[in-house]
Amino acid sequence: EVQLVDSGGDLVQPGGSLRLSCAASGLTFGSYAMNWVRQAPGKGLEWVSTIVGSADSTMYADSVKGRFTISRDNSKNTLYLQMNSLRAEDTAIYYCAKSYGSGWYHRLDYWGQGTPVTVSS
Amino acid sequence: EIVLTQSPGTLSLSPGERATLSCRASQSVSSSYLAWYQQKPGRAPRLLIYGASSRATGIPDRFSGSGSGTDFTLTISRLEPEDFAVYFCQQYGSSPLTFGGGTKVEIK
Repeated sequence: EVQLVDSGGDLVQPGGSLRLSCAASGLTFGSYAMNWVRQAPGKGLEWVSTIVGSADSTMYADSVKGRFTISRDNSKNTLYLQMNSLRAEDTAIYYCAKSYGSGWYHRLDYWGQGTPVTVSS
Repeated sequence: EIVLTQSPGTLSLSPGERATLSCRASQSVSSSYLAWYQQKPGRAPRLLIYGASSRATGIPDRFSGSGSGTDFTLTISRLEPEDFAVYFCQQYGSSPLTFGGGTKVEIK
């Protein structure tokens, strides 16, 4: 059974940094693209970033480009999101989500439970 | 960027009734790469429908999807108590991936 466990969320001051992790099990991790999707309090879903299975290509939403970095360690079955220069508008629950395939443009078929990030002074 | 507009914002229905949710795209969705997700309070989204009309693994057949191009529909044939939730559509055919604003299906 595929399981994704998100962690690393915390309260951080504006301008601060945080690294989120997503530990995967029950799948051949490197065979799938992985994503981060966030949800601000009481709001809808917003795609943040995608990394392909081989880890050699990434995509970002304009709202986080240049501030966030997605990465993965296929030997550890773990996905990461390094978040720098955090802003109040980055406050959200962050979900990792598995893509159905290894490249771009796949449905998101499994989701982690989410980890909350609050940016506030 | 493809903007997805969902309607209505809220649907008030009774168990056993039929629910029809709409998702309209600002431009054609490539290869019908349109998905529907269900989200319950405090939980992660769950994939229901992909490719506009294919049910994901384990999804009951009372859920069905249809549409192509810019107009898509999620239908729940007879609402069960566990179906009251928020539903999001998503296009995954072009970057950036985008989601609709959601439709809340609430008990009348």
